[in-house]
Amino acid sequence: QSALTQPPSASGSLGQSVTISCTGTSSDIGGYNYVSWFQQHPGKAPKLMIYEVTKRPSGVPDRFSGSKSGNTASLTVSGLQADDEAHYYCSSYGGYNNLVFGGGTELTVL
Amino acid sequence: EVQLVESGGGFVQPGGSLRLLCAASGFTLSSFAMSWVRQTPGKGLEWVSTISATGGSTYYADSVKGRFTISRDTSKNTLYLQMNSLRAEDTALYYCAKDGLWLNGNFDYWGQGSLVNVSS
Repeated sequence: QSALTQPPSASGSLGQSVTISCTGTSSDIGGYNYVSWFQQHPGKAPKLMIYEVTKRPSGVPDRFSGSKSGNTASLTVSGLQADDEAHYYCSSYGGYNNLVFGGGTELTVL
Repeated sequence: EVQLVESGGGFVQPGGSLRLLCAASGFTLSSFAMSWVRQTPGKGLEWVSTISATGGSTYYADSVKGRFTISRDTSKNTLYLQMNSLRAEDTALYYCAKDGLWLNGNFDYWGQGSLVNVSS
């Protein structure tokens, strides 16, 4: 199973919005509504930010939102804050009892 | 409070074996699917294996199938990953993660990770 495709980097200014894409195929993102997004700060474990494409776990600010169109999922971070600077990873159920991750996007807050 | 604490990592030669443990607290393992996810230093995340909430089904990435075995002991509320025939490319930080009712990537809790280094 190939990894999902994410841009290596993204950036935005404080207070602005940024969207990170995650591209797969009809066998993973396009075929199931099980896309998750994780935030990872250096030296820390990943943290679930979005699950099942659009749902936010308790405690995650509503500045974080998820969406999907066809084989591409997106994470939008609005009102960028300094602490949003981190790596972001997407994942998707890939069918046949398999899960696939994206390569990660490093978000820089300017 | 939900906590996951991994242990068992270390240095091992190619071809060797290690067993990782993940002690869970704050919830019952038998109520959720549990997974192992690894991360190569400086690189991204890779799903390794999942055991279903019932414990009756196990799933593996192609890269570890036939070499790794996931299991759990509900009396100890502990998850395991037995890793045999280890290769240099298995070197990574291994996380255990709590999933939903089945393998869907809803990893809402993660451990701190256990480092495995396969080198001669």
